[in-house]
Amino acid sequence: DAKTTQPPSMDCAEGRAANLPCNHSTISGNEYVYWYRQIHSQGPQYIIHGLKNNETNEMASLIITEDRKSSTLILPHATLRDTAVYYCIVRLYNFNKFYFGSGTKLNVKP
Amino acid sequence: GAVVSQHPSWVICKSGTSVKIECRSLDFQATTMFWYRQFPKQSLMLMATSNEGSKATYEQGVEKDKFLINHASLTLSTLTVTSAHPEDSSFYICSARDQVETEYFGPGTRLTVT
Repeated sequence: DAKTTQPPSMDCAEGRAANLPCNHSTISGNEYVYWYRQIHSQGPQYIIHGLKNNETNEMASLIITEDRKSSTLILPHATLRDTAVYYCIVRLYNFNKFYFGSGTKLNVKP
Repeated sequence: GAVVSQHPSWVICKSGTSVKIECRSLDFQATTMFWYRQFPKQSLMLMATSNEGSKATYEQGVEKDKFLINHASLTLSTLTVTSAHPEDSSFYICSARDQVETEYFGPGTRLTVT
C-alpha cells in the first residue's frame, strides 16, 4: 500500500515555480523518497530521490523536512510540458517495490 | 537517464488469444524488472516482480497462470497475457532497476481485447 498522501490536483502559472507537497508521516529511517511523473499515456519518468538531505538536479529540487515526515518537489520554472501526474513514493533502498498512490495532477497554465 | 523499451506499444487481440509484451533495458543490465497495469484515470498497480533466472513473484490477487512472466536475460523480461478477455484491456507498463537502484519505466503497452 502507498505510504504517501498528496493533493489530487494543483495549478501553476507557466514560468512560475511549482511546489508539490507530499506527506509521508510513517516513513522509516532507511526509506528513501522518490518522485516520478507520468505524462498522459506514457510510462512514469524518474525525477529525483533523496533520503534526508535536500537534493537538486537538472529537473527539480527535493526538499525534505528535518523530521522527514513530509517533502516538497520544486519545479523552478514550470512549462506547459510539465503538465503531468506527479507521484511521491517511499521505498527502502535496495529492497522494496514501488507502490504508487494517487499522485498530484499538476496543471501548468499559460 | 537509462532507457527501457516496450514492444509492442499497442496491440488489439481477440478474446481467447494470448498476447506477449516485451520489456528491454537498452543501456544497462537489470536483474530485477517489474510489471504494472493501469486502468483509465487510475494509478499504476504493481502486478509482479520479475527476477532474472528465477520465478516471478506476483502481488496478491494477480493470477500467475494468466499473466506469465519470463526474465530470460539481464535485459529482457516478457509478460504473456494468456486467454485474454475484454477485462484484461489495460495499459501495461514495465520497469527495470539499475545498479544504483533507480527504477526506470518503459513507455507502456496499450492492450485492447475485443
